[in-house]
Amino acid sequence: IAGITQAPTSQILAAGRRMTLRCTQDMRHNAMYWYRQDLGLGLRLIHYSNTAGTTGKGEVPDGYSVSRANTDDFPLTLASAVPSQTSVYFCASSEVGDPYNEQFFGPGTRLTVL
Amino acid sequence: GQNIDQPTEMTATEGAIVQINCTYQTSGFNGLFWYQQHAGEAPTFLSYNVLDGLEEKGRFSSFLSRSKGYSYLLLKELQMKDSASYLCAVSSNDYKLSFGAGTTVTVRA
Repeated sequence: IAGITQAPTSQILAAGRRMTLRCTQDMRHNAMYWYRQDLGLGLRLIHYSNTAGTTGKGEVPDGYSVSRANTDDFPLTLASAVPSQTSVYFCASSEVGDPYNEQFFGPGTRLTVL
Repeated sequence: GQNIDQPTEMTATEGAIVQINCTYQTSGFNGLFWYQQHAGEAPTFLSYNVLDGLEEKGRFSSFLSRSKGYSYLLLKELQMKDSASYLCAVSSNDYKLSFGAGTTVTVRA
């Protein structure tokens, strides 16, 4: 693989169910991010990780959790999904410390919570 | 926090020029990015400005004025494939990006 992969591509989920969105990168970037994208609101940061073993909260963290056990993987978990979490979720990675810290995005996961 | 504003929509004719403005207010600044996003796809990097002035890359140019909190993306010789959303994003001192809501550009024949 090259770049960032996300799984699943799309998912329909019943409210109250637990769901983990997967993200894997093979660029050995130290930083990874999860965003949600909603019409009219743009991309909003949910959680981030600057290096393996550390995570931080973004702008809209409530209802989501993340872990960063290694450099490559950064799963996002919805413990008990609610309809307001219906969105397109993008994972991204970057090399913090590079001159301009470009973020590379995965293809996205379209999640519908009913 | 960050406040980033850009127009919601713009329409232009094939072969024309379009300028997308972005204004921002930030608590820290480490550069400004422009991303392109086609419908149903991931954002892809277009440009980065950290110093004042114009950066040119083929048909696309990006300008930054840090003192005014202002940037624009200039798309020249528009092609149908340029129909997409264009996202302005500001990098803060901790390298996190804050995005504007995006500008949807429609190119008409």
